Amino acid sequence: ELKVEQNPLFLSMQEGKNYTIYCNYSTTSDRLYWYRQDPGKSLESLFVLLSNGAVKQEGRLMASLDTKARLSTLHITAAVHDLSATYFCAVDMGGAQKLVFGQGTRLTINP
Amino acid sequence: DSGVTQTPKHLITATGQRVTLRCSPRSGDLSVYWYQQSLDQGLQFLIQYYNGEERAKGNILERFSAQQFPDLHSELNLSSLELGDSALYFCASSVVSGYEQYFGPGTRLTVT
Repeated sequence: ELKVEQNPLFLSMQEGKNYTIYCNYSTTSDRLYWYRQDPGKSLESLFVLLSNGAVKQEGRLMASLDTKARLSTLHITAAVHDLSATYFCAVDMGGAQKLVFGQGTRLTINP
Repeated sequence: DSGVTQTPKHLITATGQRVTLRCSPRSGDLSVYWYQQSLDQGLQFLIQYYNGEERAKGNILERFSAQQFPDLHSELNLSSLELGDSALYFCASSVVSGYEQYFGPGTRLTVT
């Protein structure tokens, strides 16, 4: 059974700092997604990583995928308050056509 | 706005009752997925339909069922509701199976 683990689960940081969220998964997959969720809201797609070594950047967020290590990272550069949210990684089961989500990382950015 | 719509936004009902949640996928998307989000279980995949046919099943209880209609909208039926069924239910759609999924706003179900 595919397991997806994120760490940390809670992260409180100051504006201007850098930090990384880690997403490990237990079985082979070459498709990984990052989503953002604001409290009480839906999931917003941030990145789709489709192959080993994929790196994508949007503003202060950068995501990467290492399929050999079964690891994806979401790096936050010079954090701003607007980035406060819960971030989920999700792994595509491929032929099973379903997403398995990590527990989520609740990110709070303090002024 | 993802283009996926869900109704109703909120639903409050009593234990033992039955409810129907509705989802309209993005225009052109053939695949619909249902997920449940609760505090103790996190985000869990329930079921997927592709062009009217069931394609994949996850941790969906026997009390729950779904279908996708010819116009591609989908309904999730929850029956004999229990307190533990209280959760956010999301629908997502994608153009074909295995592609990026776009999530609807969700239906918050409260069972009292």
